[in-house]
Amino acid sequence: AQTVTQSQPEMSVQEAETVTLSCTYDTSENNYYLFWYKQPPSRQMILVIRQEAYKQQNATENRFSVNFQKAAKSFSLKISDSQLGDTAMYFCAFWPGSARQLTFGSGTQLTVLP
Amino acid sequence: EPEVTQTPSHQVTQMGQEVILRCVPISNHLYFYWYRQILGQKVEFLVSFYNNEISEKSEIFDDQFSVERPDGSNFTLKIRSTKLEDSAMYFCASRGGGQETQYFGPGTRLLVL
Repeated sequence: AQTVTQSQPEMSVQEAETVTLSCTYDTSENNYYLFWYKQPPSRQMILVIRQEAYKQQNATENRFSVNFQKAAKSFSLKISDSQLGDTAMYFCAFWPGSARQLTFGSGTQLTVLP
Repeated sequence: EPEVTQTPSHQVTQMGQEVILRCVPISNHLYFYWYRQILGQKVEFLVSFYNNEISEKSEIFDDQFSVERPDGSNFTLKIRSTKLEDSAMYFCASRGGGQETQYFGPGTRLLVL
């Protein structure tokens, strides 16, 4: 079974600064996908970024980028130029493929301060 | 952009009552999922559904739960006899064939009194 660990329950960052959220996972799978989802106060789950394990290049989406370290089973999210609208709960998630489930971490509540 | 929709957005029910939560997945998607999130806790997997049958289910998904795709567009979760601990946000998600991303609906907030 897979496990996903987010060791930072809460973080804060000043507007326009950069913040990194950490995530580690445990799996025996060799091929899988990793995701970061954002959950604002509305509680909708919004995809932020995804990474295929077989790709060495780190994924980027505008201000969001990841640092994927497969050997260390680490998948951190970097948010550059933080904006007030980035305030949300961020969940790291693991997917081994096929019809199987997403496994979520416990989340990091990020607050962007004006 | 196509999106997953869920109805109702909120549901209040009495303990022991049956509830049906409805989802309309993205139209050409083949894989369907239900997750739940108890307030303040992580998102937990309930069940996945493909080709008109359950692919995988968690320990939470006991005999009180069932899923159905009655008409090729809706995907429903039924809880036969609700318990207080079923109070949670329930998310539906769908995924296209050959794709890796699950797209989530806005959720149904269920409160069992």
